[in-house]
Amino acid sequence: DAGVTQSPTHLIKTRGQQVTLRCSPKSGHDTVSWYQQALGQGPQFIFQYYEEEERQRGNFPDRFSGHQFPNYSSELNVNALLLGDSALYLCASSFPGSYVQYFGPGTRLTVT
Amino acid sequence: GNSVTQMEGPVTLSEEAFLTINCTYTATGYPSLFWYVQYPGEGLQLLLKATKADDKGSNKGFEATYRKETTSFHLEKGSVQVSDSAVYFCALSKQGGSEKLVFGKGTKLTVNP
Repeated sequence: DAGVTQSPTHLIKTRGQQVTLRCSPKSGHDTVSWYQQALGQGPQFIFQYYEEEERQRGNFPDRFSGHQFPNYSSELNVNALLLGDSALYLCASSFPGSYVQYFGPGTRLTVT
Repeated sequence: GNSVTQMEGPVTLSEEAFLTINCTYTATGYPSLFWYVQYPGEGLQLLLKATKADDKGSNKGFEATYRKETTSFHLEKGSVQVSDSAVYFCALSKQGGSEKLVFGKGTKLTVNP
């Protein structure tokens, strides 16, 4: 049973560019959450998708947007990249009502 | 709003030493509490959880008890191993499941042989 997968593993972008990160949830899971983890910090909640709709959103600007597809996979898009967007981006999946979220290995984004 | 405070790291112990990592929380209602572990270069793995007051979560020799009176969820292990070296995160979510996780800043543990 494959766990949560994310792509790419690493990414280097320039300020002002746009980036798309991808996530495939664990089999049987239909809820996907995204977190940003800055170096030396705990993960911060960006948003959560369920049934292709954004269900919850953290305190992140509109430059951060997402999408969920009918197969429950998800994308995180960040526009107009800033140096401060450099971080590990984690995807987590769960099924409705579950207390447990399963995390992927993350995508390391570096903005130069 | 909801928040989690963990003891500052890093923590360095010798193998077989006793481990305590303190965690306190601020939340309305009755949150669920979690400990996640992050090994070098990897994502987060759930270590243990407790969903109501006085529950004890346990896994791989680690334990934590949900103490509502002190709003705490301290992580303990009686005898650490080198393989326990990792970053440990305390987290909470609102009751009910499928809720966002609020994390502490993490505590880095290094266990020396």
